[in-house]
Amino acid sequence: DTGVSQDPRHKITKRGQNVTFRCDPISEHNRLYWYRQTLGQGPEFLTYFQNEAQLEKSRLLSDRFSAERPKGSFSTLEIQRTEQGDSAMYLCASSLRAGDYNEQFFGPGTRLTVL
Amino acid sequence: AQSVTQLGSHVSVSEGALVLLRCNYSSSVPPYLFWYVQYPNQGLQLLLKYTSAATLVKGINGFEAEFKKSETSFHLTKPSAHMSDAAEYFCAVRGTGTASKLTFGTGTRLQVTL
Repeated sequence: DTGVSQDPRHKITKRGQNVTFRCDPISEHNRLYWYRQTLGQGPEFLTYFQNEAQLEKSRLLSDRFSAERPKGSFSTLEIQRTEQGDSAMYLCASSLRAGDYNEQFFGPGTRLTVL
Repeated sequence: AQSVTQLGSHVSVSEGALVLLRCNYSSSVPPYLFWYVQYPNQGLQLLLKYTSAATLVKGINGFEAEFKKSETSFHLTKPSAHMSDAAEYFCAVRGTGTASKLTFGTGTRLQVTL
């Protein structure tokens, strides 16, 4: 068990470009979450998958954002036509659907800078 | 909706002193509460969690937190601070929906001085 991994760790892009991030959850975890963290703030929920189904999306997730988890394993988060306001740390977390407390394990994050 | 409030965006303590980081929650149902730590340029690591089994929860690295329903609080403490404790600390509450998403506070940056 190597934990949750994210790639890339850092991404610098120009405004208007598209970017894609990848998250590999802990192998037996069927729940996967994306959060966004801006400077000086706590993480904010973006979206949630149970297996391959995307079951909930935050209103923070505009039409320019799309997330997939095609085989219920890794997930990708794509941002189209990036804006400077998209600059943030994008965190992925995974958990088992077991127990009452749904402990989420976080990856190291992808830091996006939009110039 | 569940929410948490962290009082104090920055806390500074001397090495060896007591650490107290404050968190108050708002929840219409018995909450599940968490404390996470974040070191620079890293993801979040779970310190401890409250799941109603016991009001005093012990976590990793010598941290503990006490759930007080009457005060709607879940403050994080450590008897003796170490330089390696310097980090950002986040309190979070689990939502009641299917997603069980976490709602985080704004964080408290802990500085430890010699």
